[in-house]
Amino acid sequence: DSGVTQTPKHLITATGQRVTLRCSPRSGDLSVYWYQQSLDQGLQFLIQYYNGEERAKGNILERFSAQQFPDLHSELNLSSLELGDSALYFCASSKFKYEQFFGPGTRLTVL
Amino acid sequence: ELKVEQNPLFLSMQEGKNYTIYCNYSTTSDRLYWYRQDPGKSLESLFVLLSNGAVKQEGRLMASLDTKARLSTLHITAAVHDLSATYFCAVDIPNNAGNMLTFGGGTRLMVKP
Repeated sequence: DSGVTQTPKHLITATGQRVTLRCSPRSGDLSVYWYQQSLDQGLQFLIQYYNGEERAKGNILERFSAQQFPDLHSELNLSSLELGDSALYFCASSKFKYEQFFGPGTRLTVL
Repeated sequence: ELKVEQNPLFLSMQEGKNYTIYCNYSTTSDRLYWYRQDPGKSLESLFVLLSNGAVKQEGRLMASLDTKARLSTLHITAAVHDLSATYFCAVDIPNNAGNMLTFGGGTRLMVKP
Protein backbone atom coordinates (compact mmCIF):
# COMPACT_ATOMS: atom_id res chain seq x y z
CA ASP A 1 0.00 0.00 0.00
CA SER A 2 1.60 3.22 -1.22
CA GLY A 3 -0.53 5.52 0.94
CA VAL A 4 -2.11 7.16 -2.11
CA THR A 5 -5.85 6.59 -2.37
CA GLN A 6 -8.05 6.89 -5.41
CA THR A 7 -11.80 6.71 -5.85
CA PRO A 8 -13.74 5.22 -7.43
CA LYS A 9 -11.99 2.00 -8.27
CA HIS A 10 -14.16 1.37 -11.32
CA LEU A 11 -16.31 3.68 -13.37
CA ILE A 12 -18.57 2.75 -16.26
CA THR A 13 -20.21 5.51 -18.21
CA ALA A 14 -21.48 6.42 -21.65
CA THR A 15 -19.99 8.50 -24.43
CA GLY A 16 -20.56 12.20 -24.03
CA GLN A 17 -20.75 12.05 -20.25
CA ARG A 18 -18.55 13.72 -17.66
CA VAL A 19 -16.82 12.03 -14.73
CA THR A 20 -14.62 13.08 -11.81
CA LEU A 21 -11.79 10.97 -10.44
CA ARG A 22 -10.48 11.70 -6.98
CA CYS A 23 -7.04 11.27 -5.44
CA SER A 24 -5.68 11.75 -1.93
CA PRO A 25 -1.88 11.94 -1.74
CA ARG A 26 0.35 10.42 0.93
CA SER A 27 0.59 12.37 4.12
CA GLY A 28 3.11 15.17 3.69
CA ASP A 29 3.31 15.02 -0.11
CA LEU A 30 2.54 18.30 -1.82
CA SER A 31 2.90 17.10 -5.43
CA VAL A 32 0.16 15.18 -7.19
CA TYR A 33 0.49 13.70 -10.68
CA TRP A 34 -2.06 12.14 -13.01
CA TYR A 35 -1.21 9.43 -15.54
CA GLN A 36 -3.26 7.55 -18.10
CA GLN A 37 -2.56 3.94 -19.03
CA SER A 38 -4.15 2.55 -22.17
CA LEU A 39 -3.32 -0.34 -24.44
CA ASP A 40 -2.47 1.82 -27.43
CA GLN A 41 -0.79 4.79 -25.73
CA GLY A 42 0.93 3.06 -22.84
CA LEU A 43 1.57 5.06 -19.66
CA GLN A 44 1.32 8.79 -20.28
CA PHE A 45 1.80 11.72 -17.96
CA LEU A 46 -1.16 14.08 -17.93
CA ILE A 47 -0.58 16.82 -15.38
CA GLN A 48 1.19 17.74 -12.13
CA TYR A 49 0.07 19.98 -9.29
CA TYR A 50 2.18 21.22 -6.44
CA ASN A 51 0.51 22.72 -3.40
CA GLY A 52 -2.50 23.80 -5.40
CA GLU A 53 -0.68 25.12 -8.46
CA GLU A 54 -0.31 23.50 -11.85
CA ARG A 55 3.39 22.76 -12.40
CA ALA A 56 3.78 20.54 -15.46
CA LYS A 57 1.50 19.52 -18.27
CA GLY A 58 1.79 16.54 -20.55
CA ASN A 59 -0.46 15.11 -23.23
CA ILE A 60 -3.68 16.14 -21.55
CA LEU A 61 -6.68 16.70 -23.79
CA GLU A 62 -8.61 19.96 -23.62
CA ARG A 63 -11.66 17.94 -22.53
CA PHE A 64 -9.73 16.96 -19.40
CA SER A 65 -8.99 19.24 -16.47
CA ALA A 66 -7.64 18.85 -12.99
CA GLN A 67 -7.24 20.77 -9.78
CA GLN A 68 -5.69 20.39 -6.38
CA PHE A 69 -7.58 21.61 -3.35
CA PRO A 70 -6.28 23.26 -0.15
CA ASP A 71 -6.39 19.91 1.66
CA LEU A 72 -4.10 18.64 -1.16
CA HIS A 73 -6.50 16.13 -2.62
CA SER A 74 -6.85 16.31 -6.37
CA GLU A 75 -9.59 15.72 -8.87
CA LEU A 76 -9.34 14.88 -12.56
CA ASN A 77 -12.37 15.86 -14.58
CA LEU A 78 -13.01 14.14 -17.89
CA SER A 79 -15.79 15.50 -20.09
CA SER A 80 -17.41 14.72 -23.44
CA LEU A 81 -16.11 11.21 -22.99
CA GLU A 82 -15.19 9.12 -26.00
CA LEU A 83 -14.64 5.40 -26.35
CA GLY A 84 -10.91 6.03 -26.59
CA ASP A 85 -10.84 7.56 -23.12
CA SER A 86 -11.34 4.11 -21.62
CA ALA A 87 -8.19 3.50 -19.62
CA LEU A 88 -6.64 3.11 -16.19
CA TYR A 89 -6.05 6.49 -14.58
CA PHE A 90 -3.37 6.64 -11.93
CA CYS A 91 -2.62 9.31 -9.44
CA ALA A 92 0.83 9.55 -7.88
CA SER A 93 2.23 11.76 -5.17
CA SER A 94 5.66 12.84 -4.03
CA LYS A 95 7.55 15.39 -2.09
CA PHE A 96 8.53 17.96 -4.70
CA LYS A 97 10.74 16.37 -7.42
CA TYR A 98 11.25 13.17 -5.41
CA GLU A 99 10.18 9.56 -6.04
CA GLN A 100 6.56 9.20 -7.05
CA PHE A 101 4.25 6.72 -5.34
CA PHE A 102 1.26 5.47 -7.26
CA GLY A 103 -2.30 4.94 -6.15
CA PRO A 104 -4.37 1.86 -7.04
CA GLY A 105 -5.91 3.53 -10.09
CA THR A 106 -9.40 4.11 -11.43
CA ARG A 107 -10.50 1.94 -14.31
CA LEU A 108 -12.72 3.96 -16.62
CA THR A 109 -14.87 2.20 -19.17
CA VAL A 110 -16.73 4.33 -21.70
CA LEU A 111 -19.52 2.49 -23.52
CA GLU B 1 11.01 15.21 -26.77
CA LEU B 2 12.23 12.52 -24.43
CA LYS B 3 11.84 8.98 -25.71
CA VAL B 4 12.23 5.90 -23.54
CA GLU B 5 12.55 2.52 -25.17
CA GLN B 6 12.53 -0.85 -23.48
CA ASN B 7 13.44 -4.17 -24.93
CA PRO B 8 12.35 -6.78 -25.14
CA LEU B 9 8.66 -5.97 -24.94
CA PHE B 10 7.83 -9.55 -24.14
CA LEU B 11 10.00 -12.13 -22.42
CA SER B 12 9.15 -15.72 -21.74
CA MET B 13 11.73 -17.58 -19.71
CA GLN B 14 12.17 -20.75 -17.72
CA GLU B 15 12.56 -20.74 -13.99
CA GLY B 16 16.18 -20.69 -12.94
CA LYS B 17 17.40 -18.74 -15.99
CA ASN B 18 18.99 -15.33 -16.11
CA TYR B 19 18.00 -12.45 -18.35
CA THR B 20 18.39 -8.70 -18.77
CA ILE B 21 15.85 -6.04 -19.70
CA TYR B 22 17.21 -2.91 -21.35
CA CYS B 23 15.99 0.65 -21.09
CA ASN B 24 17.37 3.33 -23.42
CA TYR B 25 16.45 6.98 -23.24
CA SER B 26 17.10 9.88 -25.55
CA THR B 27 17.88 12.88 -23.32
CA THR B 28 20.40 13.42 -20.56
CA SER B 29 18.99 12.47 -17.20
CA ASP B 30 20.40 11.06 -14.00
CA ARG B 31 17.12 9.94 -12.50
CA LEU B 32 15.65 6.64 -13.54
CA TYR B 33 13.08 4.42 -11.90
CA TRP B 34 11.99 0.82 -12.30
CA TYR B 35 8.43 -0.20 -11.52
CA ARG B 36 6.61 -3.50 -11.45
CA GLN B 37 2.96 -3.89 -12.43
CA ASP B 38 0.83 -6.97 -11.94
CA PRO B 39 -2.21 -7.30 -14.23
CA GLY B 40 -4.88 -4.72 -13.40
CA LYS B 41 -2.86 -3.43 -10.46
CA SER B 42 -0.91 -0.33 -9.61
CA LEU B 43 2.75 0.42 -10.15
CA GLU B 44 5.07 -0.79 -7.43
CA SER B 45 8.39 1.00 -7.09
CA LEU B 46 11.36 -1.35 -7.39
CA PHE B 47 14.45 0.82 -7.77
CA VAL B 48 15.41 4.46 -7.80
CA LEU B 49 18.68 5.18 -9.61
CA LEU B 50 19.96 8.70 -9.09
CA SER B 51 23.50 8.83 -10.41
CA ASN B 52 25.80 7.48 -13.07
CA GLY B 53 27.05 4.04 -12.14
CA ALA B 54 24.30 3.45 -9.59
CA VAL B 55 23.62 -0.21 -8.95
CA LYS B 56 20.87 -1.52 -6.71
CA GLN B 57 19.86 -5.06 -5.88
CA GLU B 58 16.80 -6.55 -4.27
CA GLY B 59 16.45 -10.30 -4.20
CA ARG B 60 16.78 -11.69 -7.70
CA LEU B 61 16.61 -8.28 -9.36
CA MET B 62 19.49 -5.91 -9.95
CA ALA B 63 19.27 -2.53 -11.67
CA SER B 64 22.05 -0.33 -12.99
CA LEU B 65 22.34 3.07 -14.63
CA ASP B 66 24.85 4.37 -17.17
CA THR B 67 23.96 8.00 -17.78
CA LYS B 68 26.65 8.47 -20.43
CA ALA B 69 25.22 5.66 -22.54
CA ARG B 70 21.67 6.70 -21.51
CA LEU B 71 21.04 3.08 -20.60
CA SER B 72 19.63 1.25 -17.63
CA THR B 73 19.42 -2.49 -17.20
CA LEU B 74 17.28 -4.70 -15.01
CA HIS B 75 18.95 -8.07 -14.53
CA ILE B 76 17.00 -11.09 -13.38
CA THR B 77 18.93 -13.88 -11.71
CA ALA B 78 17.54 -17.43 -11.42
CA ALA B 79 14.01 -16.37 -12.29
CA VAL B 80 11.05 -17.70 -10.32
CA HIS B 81 7.36 -17.72 -11.25
CA ASP B 82 6.57 -14.92 -8.76
CA LEU B 83 8.58 -12.51 -10.89
CA SER B 84 6.01 -12.76 -13.70
CA ALA B 85 4.73 -9.22 -14.21
CA THR B 86 5.22 -6.21 -16.46
CA TYR B 87 8.28 -4.10 -15.72
CA PHE B 88 8.52 -0.44 -16.64
CA CYS B 89 11.44 1.92 -16.61
CA ALA B 90 10.72 5.62 -16.28
CA VAL B 91 12.93 8.65 -16.73
CA ASP B 92 12.47 11.84 -14.77
CA ILE B 93 13.77 15.18 -15.96
CA PRO B 94 12.95 17.71 -13.29
CA ASN B 95 13.01 21.37 -14.13
CA ASN B 96 12.24 24.52 -12.23
CA ALA B 97 8.55 24.10 -12.76
CA GLY B 98 8.09 20.49 -11.82
CA ASN B 99 8.84 17.02 -13.00
CA MET B 100 7.14 14.18 -14.80
CA LEU B 101 7.92 10.58 -15.58
CA THR B 102 8.26 9.38 -19.14
CA PHE B 103 7.73 5.63 -19.27
CA GLY B 104 9.07 2.97 -21.54
CA GLY B 105 6.64 0.63 -23.23
CA GLY B 106 7.04 -2.04 -20.57
CA THR B 107 8.45 -5.55 -20.65
CA ARG B 108 5.97 -8.30 -19.99
CA LEU B 109 7.81 -11.10 -18.25
CA MET B 110 6.43 -14.61 -18.03
CA VAL B 111 8.40 -17.14 -16.01
CA LYS B 112 7.44 -20.71 -16.73
CA PRO B 113 7.87 -23.48 -14.17
